[in-house]
Formats: sequence, C-alpha cells, structure tokens
Amino acid sequence: NAGVTQTPKFQVLKTGQSMTLQCAQDMNHNSMYWYRQDPGMGLRLIYYSASEGTTDKGEVPNGYNVSRLNKREFSLRLESAAPSQTSVYFCASTSGHRMNTGELFFGEGSRLTVL
Amino acid sequence: GQQLNQSPQSMFIQEGEDVSMNCTSSSIFNTWLWYKQDPGEGPVLLIALYKAGELTSNGRLTAQFGITRKDSFLNISASIPSDVGIYFCAGLSGSARQLTFGSGTQLTVLP
Repeated sequence: NAGVTQTPKFQVLKTGQSMTLQCAQDMNHNSMYWYRQDPGMGLRLIYYSASEGTTDKGEVPNGYNVSRLNKREFSLRLESAAPSQTSVYFCASTSGHRMNTGELFFGEGSRLTVL
Repeated sequence: GQQLNQSPQSMFIQEGEDVSMNCTSSSIFNTWLWYKQDPGEGPVLLIALYKAGELTSNGRLTAQFGITRKDSFLNISASIPSDVGIYFCAGLSGSARQLTFGSGTQLTVLP
C-alpha cells in the first residue's frame, strides 16, 4: 500500500517563483493536512482540509494556498516563493474517526529550498 | 496558540542505555501522543494516551499521560541503533481539530 504520496521529493526555487506540492492518499481518509518542519520548531500546521470541499488555515498559512481537489488529493501552492519558505513539507491524512485519536499518517516529505 | 515544551532537544547515548524525554504544556490536553521520525521519513505514531494517569507500553517504549493532563513522558529501555531519530510529542485538546506538536528530541545512539 502506498499510503500518503508526496511529489516532488526535492525542489530548488528562486525567490519569486511559484510551485505546487502534490499529495495523494489511498486510504480513503476524510482529513488531510500540510505541515512544515524547521529545525528546533517541530511540525507547524499550514492548512488542513477536514473533508472534501473544505479547507481551513492552520498556524502558519501566510504565503500559501491549498486545494482539496477530491477526496484523495490535497495540494499546497507557493505563489511567490521566499527564502523563509525553505523547509521540509509534510502531507498527512487521517480518517474522521482517527482524528479523535490523534493518529496521523504522514508522507515522506518534500524538501524545498528557496534561493 | 497552544505550545508544548519538549526536552531535551537532543541526546547522545550509548547502545543499551535507557532514555527518558518529556513534554509539558500550560494547557490541558485530552490526548497525548508520541511520534518517531526516522531520518528522511515522515513521523510515525508510536504510542497514544487517552486518559490522565495512563501508563502504556509498546515493546521497549513506555509512555505516561500526566495526572494534571499537562505533561507526558516517554521512556525507551535498552536502546538499540535503530532507535535513532527525532521523537515528537503531540497533544490534542477536546475543542481542537488538529494536533499541537512539540519541537522534538533528536536521539543519537552510539555503538
């Protein structure tokens, strides 16, 4: 089983360029999340989607947009990349039931560098 | 927003030693969780705790949900090389729909 798949795994951008990180899950989960991981700061929530057709801001949404394309896919877009967005990005998902238990299933991460 | 204080930030231990790490918060959580991130991978859930005072084991791992609901600890006994990674605590409050993560403990196991 693939679980949560993220693409690309690595990307280098110049300041001002745009790009989209893709995420797909094959577990029929309702809820999907985008986190960023920076050294010493843990995982910070950017945006989440509790169900198909809904999205909500997390702790650090500025500079990002998201699209819940369908139940399987949740994309994260950087419209004008900045060096402060250099980070490792993780997509995660959970079924509606498991959000009550806090169990998230993470992808392998996308490492983004903005020059 | 809610914050979790996780300590220590990093640990270097000899293979075979026991390890202890903890998380504290100024807020109450209804659920405490411990995740592990292997190098180059996403975090994976190790242990979940749902009741204040609960002590749960998973092999060599033991975790406790503090009685005040504001803290949790994780112990690893007889460490082995594959224990290397970053350990995150996370809390879930009743009103929230997302987890709050600690800053992580980087564990290195020396042969």
